[in-house]
Amino acid sequence: DAKTTQPNSMESNEEEPVHLPCNHSTISGTDYIHWYRQLPSQGPEYVIHGLTSNVNNRMASLAIAEDRKSSTLILHRATLRDAAVYYCITRGGGSQGNLIFGKGTKLSVKP
Amino acid sequence: ETGVTQTPRHLVMGMTNKKSLKCEQHLGHNAMYWYKQSAKKPLELMFVYNFKEQTENNSVPSRFSPECPNSSHLFLHLHTLQPEDSALYLCASSQDWGSQPQHFGDGTRLSIL
Repeated sequence: DAKTTQPNSMESNEEEPVHLPCNHSTISGTDYIHWYRQLPSQGPEYVIHGLTSNVNNRMASLAIAEDRKSSTLILHRATLRDAAVYYCITRGGGSQGNLIFGKGTKLSVKP
Repeated sequence: ETGVTQTPRHLVMGMTNKKSLKCEQHLGHNAMYWYKQSAKKPLELMFVYNFKEQTENNSVPSRFSPECPNSSHLFLHLHTLQPEDSALYLCASSQDWGSQPQHFGDGTRLSIL
């Protein structure tokens, strides 16, 4: 079973920031937090990952709570192309590094 | 261009047919994966190959038979499938098995008549 909890759906307006929350209260000290997204009719796409510190890349930012029991994926300016299902996944190493997908958050972006 | 190519994109087959799904990556990755995505269900990991050796079989029925002849290619051989096997089958690869990001193909949409 997935070890994360996310809202089923969220809505955003185009060109506004989006904050996608994820709870992972049972995360272990060595587990990374990964985010993937799946656009319609495509396979999942890696977005970002982190361990303890906040992370930024060209796609998004990842804010990790100090106790690591929750995190937030931040899309700074949502576009219509960002409409997708976003998955938050905690991963360890070896077999513990297998991706266990939950239901994710379906993000809708309104023009 | 995702770097991971799956063929065919769509496949319709009868329950008595034998077919194969193909996955190819030229990213230099050492680990490859098969996933199943059924309607309204989360993606399920099926098989993991690391350096051409199968390291995970997630209790998949024997009517699904994977093959990894080299680090760049992965096949899923199908025979005597059931209607409930209709789903999107996704292939992925990663540099190593573990915490590295996985790169996914766009999948094969399989329909069993």
